[in-house]
Amino acid sequence: EAQVTQNPRYLITVTGKKLTVTCSQNMNHEYMSWYRQDPGLGLRQIYYSMNVEVTDKGDVPEGYKVSRKEKRNFPLILESPSPNQTSLYFCASSPVRLAGDTNTGELFFGEGSRLTVL
Amino acid sequence: GENVEQHPSTLSVQEGDSAVIKCTYSDSASNYFPWYKQELGKGPQLIIDIRSNVGEKKDQRIAVTLNKTAKHFSLHITETQPEDSAVYFCAASTTGTASKLTFGTGTRLQVTL
Repeated sequence: EAQVTQNPRYLITVTGKKLTVTCSQNMNHEYMSWYRQDPGLGLRQIYYSMNVEVTDKGDVPEGYKVSRKEKRNFPLILESPSPNQTSLYFCASSPVRLAGDTNTGELFFGEGSRLTVL
Repeated sequence: GENVEQHPSTLSVQEGDSAVIKCTYSDSASNYFPWYKQELGKGPQLIIDIRSNVGEKKDQRIAVTLNKTAKHFSLHITETQPEDSAVYFCAASTTGTASKLTFGTGTRLQVTL
């Protein structure tokens, strides 16, 4: 089954304790991205990756790191989590390659990871 | 950068009625406008999209219209059903693809019996 898998789905942690949210897709997609969803703010892009070893900042990258060492995996790292990073996080992937690609590249989202930082 | 505003934030309609959600965008270079539906506890799913060279697109009970001059686009759902209850997000991209999408703030649609 084609899917984007995130882990953990739920996590409660404390300020300053490093954590990683994993994301894996089995569709051989080039593009992967992380979003956070907050009430009244919609979905905001944190980081994205056009391909292996190619990552770039989205709209709200502060406090986050990512890596793309393999095509299927795109982990989100919070080196020193703070309470303002309490949110619902979504990983997404798409077959889109380049700007102007005629393939609109539907975004396939994972089920979400709800993170609480105390 | 791009800014997408979405209204209303909540919408309640009776089953069988129509629902309309409106979005405006700021960057005239935006050329791809998808709509995503998020059911409770799930990730968003694409339901329809439109490119800037098209004014309207339909898929059964849903349709999207685009006014490039006014920089706004709308989602129309006709003959609403309880399973249409969800949060809907509009989005815009200047790349013509799903990369670098800017999302609206979402509309919670409730279809009542």
